[in-house]
Amino acid sequence: DGGITQSPKYLFRKEGQNVTLSCEQNLNHDAMYWYRQDPGQGLRLIYYSQIVNDFQKGDIAEGYSVSREKKESFPLTVTSAQKNPTAFYLCASTREGNYGYTFGSGTRLTVV
Amino acid sequence: GQQLNQSPQSMFIQEGEDVSMNCTSSSIFNTWLWYKQDPGEGPVLLIALYKAGELTSNGRLTAQFGITRKDSFLNISASIPSDVGIYFCAGRASGTYKYIFGTGTRLKVLA
Repeated sequence: DGGITQSPKYLFRKEGQNVTLSCEQNLNHDAMYWYRQDPGQGLRLIYYSQIVNDFQKGDIAEGYSVSREKKESFPLTVTSAQKNPTAFYLCASTREGNYGYTFGSGTRLTVV
Repeated sequence: GQQLNQSPQSMFIQEGEDVSMNCTSSSIFNTWLWYKQDPGEGPVLLIALYKAGELTSNGRLTAQFGITRKDSFLNISASIPSDVGIYFCAGRASGTYKYIFGTGTRLKVLA
């Protein structure tokens, strides 16, 4: 079955460390997205990519970086420059045209 | 970044009651989506709307694309305990890949 997979489900990071969250999809979707969700809040866009080797900053890109070397993969790195990284991170993808997002099951990142 | 105004923010209802929620935007959209998110999981698409005035159902759920193209509504009939979760609206303007999300409506159903 096609889908979008995020790993790990839970991630703990020490202050000052970089961590990378994985997002893989086998839906042959063109566009991929990273969102951050804080308790009681909606989804805020971090980065998105419409095609391989190209990506754009979203509303809260500071302290994050991404790459899109393959159509299937869109990893997110949370750098030490991100001052408040504890949150639930969601990856999504969509195909070209007027379609909704398919979301992964999320990664909960906690700074310890 | 823009977020859509979604109301109510939260609601407690009795099992069997009907539920209504809405989402408004300052911009015109050509697509509206409604998602449900269970705790600790990613949102799941419930209903997609593509035309102003469109009314679409998915089981006990019915959603409408507002005539002004700046709002959308979701109704849940005869609520059951598994309806508990957060419901998000999302809208997208023509010519963009990005959806803008509402702040969510947290639904709790009392058995």
